[in-house]
Amino acid sequence: GAGVSQSPRYKVAKRGQDVALRCDPISGHVSLFWYQQALGQGPEFLTYFQNEAQLDKSGLPSDRFFAERPEGSVSTLKIQRTQQEDSAVYLCASPGGQSSYNEQFFGPGTRLTVL
Amino acid sequence: AQTVTQSQPEMSVQEAETVTLSCTYDTSESDYYLFWYKQPPSRQMILVIRQEAYKQQNATENRFSVNFQKAAKSFSLKISDSQLGDAAMYFCASGARSGTYKYIFGTGTRLKVLA
Repeated sequence: GAGVSQSPRYKVAKRGQDVALRCDPISGHVSLFWYQQALGQGPEFLTYFQNEAQLDKSGLPSDRFFAERPEGSVSTLKIQRTQQEDSAVYLCASPGGQSSYNEQFFGPGTRLTVL
Repeated sequence: AQTVTQSQPEMSVQEAETVTLSCTYDTSESDYYLFWYKQPPSRQMILVIRQEAYKQQNATENRFSVNFQKAAKSFSLKISDSQLGDAAMYFCASGARSGTYKYIFGTGTRLKVLA
């Protein structure tokens, strides 16, 4: 694809619901990152994949957050039993080419609002 | 811990004038990149300029340039001949060239361009 795409763009959930956020990285990009951007803040790292392997999940705020990338392309970030503090924009990014330290290209994000 | 600090929550500049956005960082990495990203309202984050820490020469991209002071851990962005389209949130970020390669972002500076 031409860029990183994310769906849905907007998600409203009632507290306690489970949500799933999808990221389609640029075709062929090996690495994939998830970030959480709270209102008025900079993005904060959540987790990192290289192909299908989740190499770092140190940024996931709780065990309610789970990410997967089973075939090394599309990734899903799942949040169980959503809480109001989970309201944020969730950004997906993939570095160009085969090197994980290359410039990260960001998707448009999914804005999650938990009521 | 790695940190990135942007001490200017908001800046204003007159159209066609020059503005400088400040950023300081702290990292234990020996090899890293520094970035400035632009995030227009409701639009996705795009890379403005990138500096490799091992390079002494300051990066430039058309109207955008940086002042990289490695010893002082300072990385400011200068925007010359400001245009209305430059209005956005600007985020400073650091990224390692090893390990997780995750980015550490500052809290952002909102730039307003006055006509």
